[in-house]
Amino acid sequence: DADVTQTPRNRITKTGKRIMLECSQTKGHDRMYWYRQDPGLGLRLIYYSFDVKDINKGEISDGYSVSRQAQAKFSLSLESAIPNQTALYFCATRQGQGSSGELFFGEGSRLTVL
Amino acid sequence: AQKVTQAQTEISVVEKEDVTLDCVYETRDTTYYLFWYKQPPSGELVFLIRRNSFDEQNEISGRYSWNFQKSTSSFNFTITASQVVDSAVYFCALSPFPAIYSGNTGKLIFGQGTTLQVKP
Repeated sequence: DADVTQTPRNRITKTGKRIMLECSQTKGHDRMYWYRQDPGLGLRLIYYSFDVKDINKGEISDGYSVSRQAQAKFSLSLESAIPNQTALYFCATRQGQGSSGELFFGEGSRLTVL
Repeated sequence: AQKVTQAQTEISVVEKEDVTLDCVYETRDTTYYLFWYKQPPSGELVFLIRRNSFDEQNEISGRYSWNFQKSTSSFNFTITASQVVDSAVYFCALSPFPAIYSGNTGKLIFGQGTTLQVKP
């Protein structure tokens, strides 16, 4: 099984619908991240969390919200999806202080908003 | 500000050719990490290498090699004798060195990615 699991892997929805992307990890890392990938733009940070009570906005947080339900779970929500939120979304984890720095990614969730 | 630039959007080579993917970064930090990730057509992100700013030694791993030059803020990636399976999007990324800076997010800042197509 993957260390970082994202569900769903693919989702097609309509404008205005609420969508939740879920991420769970078995690595025991305290830091979790949500990135968005668009062609030609690389990966951009949406939100990140250092622990259950510490959630921070990234560079493109507008239109998104997150929930850190437990150390191992970090969900991304689109309250009212719009077409320009069509993208590939990645969850990632990283150990905290003293880590070697590598991010461990989930397999991605492809979201299409019609 | 921190920034990573991969100026090559797409590269196409014929199998067995050598290819170099360029990465230029900007940071005011004196200590930092640099990374390369591979994204094959299946979509997952595969970690290739991490290099810290203290270590400017070039690294070789099989057909892959990395040239880190602090003087030019570059961290280029060369694939020798490319193969069709090397076809992917490659990302260069930058991160502050963890456990040193208070408030350090630990995030990675990614370049735009370079799409490499290796033709048979």
